[in-house]
Amino acid sequence: DQQVKQNSPSLSVQEGRISILNCDYTNSMFDYFLWYKKYPAEGPTFLISISSIKDKNEDGRFTVFLNKSAKHLSLHIVPSQPGDSAVYFCAASKNAGNMLTFGGGTRLMVKP
Amino acid sequence: DAGVIQSPRHEVTEMGQEVTLRCKPISGHNSLFWYRQTMMRGLELLIYFNNNVPIDDSGMPEDRFSAKMPNASFSTLKIQPSEPRDSAVYFCASTPTGWTEAFFGQGTRLTVV
Repeated sequence: DQQVKQNSPSLSVQEGRISILNCDYTNSMFDYFLWYKKYPAEGPTFLISISSIKDKNEDGRFTVFLNKSAKHLSLHIVPSQPGDSAVYFCAASKNAGNMLTFGGGTRLMVKP
Repeated sequence: DAGVIQSPRHEVTEMGQEVTLRCKPISGHNSLFWYRQTMMRGLELLIYFNNNVPIDDSGMPEDRFSAKMPNASFSTLKIQPSEPRDSAVYFCASTPTGWTEAFFGQGTRLTVV
């Protein structure tokens, strides 16, 4: 049973537009959420995180939104750039310092 | 810092053979994780060590899989005997104690034919 789900396996966006990647979770014990970015032939790299005490966290072009009542989070990238083309994984943890449960990933393609 | 180092980067082996994947975590990191990435299941946690002790191995798919961490700077994941369905990319990751953001190695792409 997948506790973290990314229902869109792929997303295509025009350069300069907004990319919105979505993630749903089922375990109400999760209280820390992360997004990772993965290029081909490389390991995932940490992108941005959010604690359950917040509903938004922003870092440059990247913003993560958390809706605890809906058990839903999203990653907004604006403006999207071709270098953002990668697979994005959503991950959740039950508390800081604990192991991560990952979603299946969404492949983002940003077209020039 | 060299980051998490995994070897080999690629491994092709025949069904039934033993495969050993290796990982050197970042110095000073107390937690180590082995993940497997497949198209069907995405990134799934296989086993988690803290201070060289296995804490959670519930993700290890079956007895053919075993993992060890003999010291703070080295871990192995062994598959014996290997099967074609074990073909995947295997990642090792490490974190300092109390951190959640894991640092990943570049992975080992395993192909079992």
